[in-house]
Parts: sequence; C-alpha cells; structure tokens
Amino acid sequence: AQSVTQLGSHVSVSEGALVLLRCNYSSSVPPYLFWYVQYPNQGLQLLLKYTSAATLVKGINGFEAEFKKSETSFHLTKPSAHMSDAAEYFCAVSNPNFGNEKLTFGTGTRLTIIP
Amino acid sequence: GAGVSQSPRYKVTKRGQDVALRCDPISGHVSLYWYRQALGQGPEFLTYFNYEAQQDKSGLPNDRFSAERPEGSISTLTIQRTEQRDSAMYRCASSPRETLQETQYFGPGTRLLVL
Repeated sequence: AQSVTQLGSHVSVSEGALVLLRCNYSSSVPPYLFWYVQYPNQGLQLLLKYTSAATLVKGINGFEAEFKKSETSFHLTKPSAHMSDAAEYFCAVSNPNFGNEKLTFGTGTRLTIIP
Repeated sequence: GAGVSQSPRYKVTKRGQDVALRCDPISGHVSLYWYRQALGQGPEFLTYFNYEAQQDKSGLPNDRFSAERPEGSISTLTIQRTEQRDSAMYRCASSPRETLQETQYFGPGTRLLVL
C-alpha cells in the first residue's frame, strides 16, 4: 500500500520568505510523486511531478521539489512567497509498477501568506 | 481549450434520493478518474476508466455507488439511496493516455449535500 503524510495542516509565511511544505511518502516500490494546488472554488492544478527522472523537479509559479529516497520525502519549496501563493497544497503518490493508476493524496496543507 | 467540466456544480438532495453526477473530460482523453474529497481532507480515489472500460473500482465505498462511461467520453457517477455521510466534493479528472506519467487534469468538482 502507498500513503502520503503532509506535516502541518496550516503553514503561514511572510511575503518574500521561503516556502517549505513537507511531504513524506510510503511505497513498496519507487513511486511517482506529485504536488497539486487548489485555489478557492477551483479544481486541483498540477504544480510539478516526479516520475523517476531528475530528482530535483521544477514546476510552475517558481515552485520546486526534491525527491529524496533516503528520507522518503518530496518537500515543496519556493524561495520567495507571493500573496498569490495562498492556497491549499496536496502531495500525492502513485505506484505505476502494479498498473495502478490512482493517486493517493495527503490531507493537504493550507498556506497563508502574511503581508 | 476546454478543461474538464462537471455538472451540477452544487447538488442538494434529501436522504434516500438517488443522484447522478456528470463528468465531461477533455476531448480525446483516454483515462477518466473519480475522487471524493471530504471537508479538510485530500481527495480519495473512487474508480477509473480507460476508454469505456472500468479498470478499478476498489475505491467505491459500497454498492450504492456506481459509475459508467458507455462511449468512452462522458462519465456518470451515480449514488443510490443517498445518506448524509455521502456529503462531499466529488472530483473528476482525465488524462490523455493510459500511463500514469500523464498528468491528471481535474474538474471544478460537484459539491453534494445530503440533508
């Protein structure tokens, strides 16, 4: 079975400060990993994904994440927070080796940006 | 181009009634997924299709839930004899091909409230 743990259901950072959202995964085989963002009243939008290529993945809106197998982590970072980054962020994992297409999501982290 | 659309966006129903939720995927997308998201939680997988074939329905909570995609395009998720615990956001996603490296594109969701 695969699972994702997001540490911190709420994170607040000042505008211009570093954003760090934590995600740890559990998977019996090398996983695919994703970060999605959800703005109010909108659908989930893919920020970035790791599919066994480069371990440092760059996404949209200046976000990036690093796959660390030894730590079973896939933390999301952004060097400088903008007010527009306020949203809910979900980490997700899938296990392609079993032909399993489904995404397993974490419980989400709500990011608040302090002006 | 048009994204994934879902209808209705909001549905209020009385306990015991049947509801049908519709998903119109991005044109040409092979795979279609249904997820359910309770308040304060991440989306949970329900079922998915490749073309018209239902590949995995392991996430459907019980036999009151069913889904179909008869022509390999539009899909309907049906909940019979609704219960209050069915209240949630129901999300649909589609992807272009059958491999999980393809991004899942999410619709805006249908918020279901069972009174």
